Amino acid sequence: KQEVTQIPAALSVPEGENLVLNCSFTDSAIYNLQWFRQDPGKGLTSLLLIQSSQREQTSGRLNASLDKSSGRSTLYIAASQPGDSATYLCAAEYNTDKLIFGTGTRLQVFP
Amino acid sequence: KAGVTQTPRYLIKTRGQQVTLSCSPISGHRSVSWYQQTPGQGLQFLFEYFSETQRNKGNFPGRFSGRQFSNSRSEMNVSTLELGDSALYLCASSLEGRAGYGYTFGSGTRLTVV
Repeated sequence: KQEVTQIPAALSVPEGENLVLNCSFTDSAIYNLQWFRQDPGKGLTSLLLIQSSQREQTSGRLNASLDKSSGRSTLYIAASQPGDSATYLCAAEYNTDKLIFGTGTRLQVFP
Repeated sequence: KAGVTQTPRYLIKTRGQQVTLSCSPISGHRSVSWYQQTPGQGLQFLFEYFSETQRNKGNFPGRFSGRQFSNSRSEMNVSTLELGDSALYLCASSLEGRAGYGYTFGSGTRLTVV
């Protein structure tokens, strides 16, 4: 069964810290891995998409890596800010036209 | 360019009623997927449409149905509503689906069943 797990479930840090969010998937035959951000009561905002042939993607202070052999993806947030407070979701796509989501990491960055 | 548009944003329905939700994808995108998000189950896949054909369906009862029109707009219908159907329903748009283009989500429709 294809499953996606995220740890930690919640994280509270002071502003300025560098953060690492983890995502694990059970099936290494992954097509893509996408990271999203969700603010309370809102939809999903795409942060980074890593295709299976890629090892990492970067956007501003965000960097995401993909290691298919170990079944892991990592989202690195540099110099965190209060505006980064949200739930972060990773989603794996296989050859099934659908995304399998992790349960998310709820991040709070306090001033 | 315009994003994914979902209407309405909020709905309150009574048990036993039916409801139709709408999703307009990004212009040029032919794949539309639907997801249900609840606190207990997280995000779960409902179905995916590509060029008016359902390509994949999640593990939901037959009360949940959908369709896609020739302009790629999609609707989702839930009949005989139950309290457990209260959720945030999210629509995702993709150029092709499965081909590495990623998915763009709308703001969702918050459905409350009373």
